[in-house]
Amino acid sequence: DIQMTQSPASLSASLGETVTIECRASEDIYSNLAWYQQKPGNSPQLLIYDANSLADGVPSRFSGSGSGTQYSLKINSLQSEDVASYFCQQYNNYPTFGAGTKLELK
Amino acid sequence: EVQLVESGGGLVQPGRSLKLSCAASGFTFSNYYMAWVRQAPKKGLEWVATISTSGSRTYYPDSVKGRFTISRDNAKSSLYLQMNSLKSEDTATYYCARAGIRAYVMDAWGQGASVTVSS
Repeated sequence: DIQMTQSPASLSASLGETVTIECRASEDIYSNLAWYQQKPGNSPQLLIYDANSLADGVPSRFSGSGSGTQYSLKINSLQSEDVASYFCQQYNNYPTFGAGTKLELK
Repeated sequence: EVQLVESGGGLVQPGRSLKLSCAASGFTFSNYYMAWVRQAPKKGLEWVATISTSGSRTYYPDSVKGRFTISRDNAKSSLYLQMNSLKSEDTATYYCARAGIRAYVMDAWGQGASVTVSS
């Protein structure tokens, strides 16, 4: 199985700040990476796929980048509605998820 | 509007079986791969199963292979997960999800069905 190591596990940031979440794969996943947002009490929602493609309806302040084994999700100008947990997922092989990053407001 | 509605969750004893259902609407169900993903309490996400559009191909991780069976009825726009020989570690919220972009990229999710395995 491909292991996904996500960091940090938790993050506190202020409104308007830029936030970056990292994800490292145990082997090259050739940009077969997605990011999901899960707000408290809700089901996950797709944000990014193919490492840097924005899913339909996702605000442009979200962006993804990376290649090989290293990937990141950036949130520009943090909004209150961005408080959530974020998960990366590789799909180069059978899918595996990172452990998640819990984002809170400072 | 895409809607996925799970049902069939509940409390079940270890070693017993349970079948989850997912009713889909708002899209042409037969055109999409579908999946089940679970989330143990306060934990992360774990992929459980994926099924092809026709149902002829199914995929599972080792943690559930041989115990869980994913199936679909395209005429009823419904997805199923038959879970046998349940263990306490199967306790989780089970999400039905549509794989709309890539075979393993879940672009729509249901609200989840809670499964508790306990004596």
